[in-house]
Amino acid sequence: EDQVTQSPEALRLQEGESSSLNCSYTVSGLRGLFWYRQDPGKGPEFLFTLYSAGEEKEKERLKATLTKKESFLHITAPKPEDSATYLCAVQAANDYKLSFGAGTTVTVRA
Amino acid sequence: DTGVSQDPRHKITKRGQNVTFRCDPISEHNRLYWYRQTLGQGPEFLTYFQNEAQLEKSRLLSDRFSAERPKGSFSTLEIQRTEQGDSAMYLCASSILNNEQFFGPGTRLTVL
Repeated sequence: EDQVTQSPEALRLQEGESSSLNCSYTVSGLRGLFWYRQDPGKGPEFLFTLYSAGEEKEKERLKATLTKKESFLHITAPKPEDSATYLCAVQAANDYKLSFGAGTTVTVRA
Repeated sequence: DTGVSQDPRHKITKRGQNVTFRCDPISEHNRLYWYRQTLGQGPEFLTYFQNEAQLEKSRLLSDRFSAERPKGSFSTLEIQRTEQGDSAMYLCASSILNNEQFFGPGTRLTVL
């Protein structure tokens, strides 16, 4: 069964203090690894898809990277508006559903 | 650009009552998914449709749950004889084939 583990569970940052979130996964053949952002009481918002080890994607202050065992979401010089829960999900090669981790809740203080 | 919409956004019901939720996917998205999310957890897959065909159901989906997608457009998720353990956020997502899944705002169900 596919497994996704995210760490840390919570992260408190000062504005401008860069950090990284980890997503470790086991899956029988990876079709894609997905990062989503979720604000309280709302649905997940799509950020990135990564398909193969070594791939990197960037969007504003966020950068996602992928290895064969894990993915990192780097937040560079975060702002308070980056406060949210960041979810990682994997899709197996022979499957259609996403298997999610529990998320990392990021709080950025001004 | 219209995203995925869900109705209602909130539902409070008494144990034993039936509830029905609606999801309108992004137009021309042929795949539609239902997930359930409880506090502090990531979404868990419930079921998915390709056009009007329901192709997979999770073990989590008991006999009290049923989903439909008539004519391959909107979808409904019905829960019969609700239990307190059904309290959760019910999320709908849609995609074009195996591309990125886009989520709606969710329906928050509270069973008293």
